Amino acid sequence: QKEVEQDPGPLSVPEGAIVSLNCTYSNSAFQYFMWYRQYSRKGPELLMYTYSSGNKEDGRFTAQVDKSSKYISLFIRDSQPSDSATYLCAMEMVGGSEKLVFGKGTKLTVNP
Amino acid sequence: DAGVTQSPTHLIKTRGQQVTLRCSPKSGHDTVSWYQQALGQGPQFIFQYYEEEERQRGNFPDRFSGHQFPNYSSELNVNALLLGDSALYLCASTPAGTGGSGELFFGEGSRLTVL
Repeated sequence: QKEVEQDPGPLSVPEGAIVSLNCTYSNSAFQYFMWYRQYSRKGPELLMYTYSSGNKEDGRFTAQVDKSSKYISLFIRDSQPSDSATYLCAMEMVGGSEKLVFGKGTKLTVNP
Repeated sequence: DAGVTQSPTHLIKTRGQQVTLRCSPKSGHDTVSWYQQALGQGPQFIFQYYEEEERQRGNFPDRFSGHQFPNYSSELNVNALLLGDSALYLCASTPAGTGGSGELFFGEGSRLTVL
């Protein structure tokens, strides 16, 4: 079993839809949870960062962490064509010093 | 303010050759991490450099080695290239004093093709 599982999609939605992206993990030592966005032929850029369980909202993006279920989510409201990208979840243990474990990424297309 | 810069952007090598990839971290960053991203996969941690020393290493063979210079820039070297080494190699840097926060800033990567 991989440490981090993420459905690679692809996921295609109409503009304005609410998008839900998810990852599950097996290592209970993970304490930091991140979502990165990666446009084609670009490096990943950090979207959201959360520590332990709970929700975090930033504009149209909401990240949720449920440590009891080992499950994290990213919600995108009012999705835009510019949100079309691959979304990567990533996790880190306490004291992990930026040694991130990534999911495979989910490719999202938002159609105008 | 320049972000993380990597060179070269693309390169093609043949099996058995050696390659050196270069990275300049973002200004004010002192820690450099290297990741390998195969096609259709998430990035995998190779190793991390801090104060010119390898601080931690992922599950990669000794063919993968690196270096950090006093100006915090870094190199990744891969010897005896295999077809399976074909990937996007990403460099990421971290602001000084934020260890453990996950605030990695990635470059755009060096795409290596091994024939």
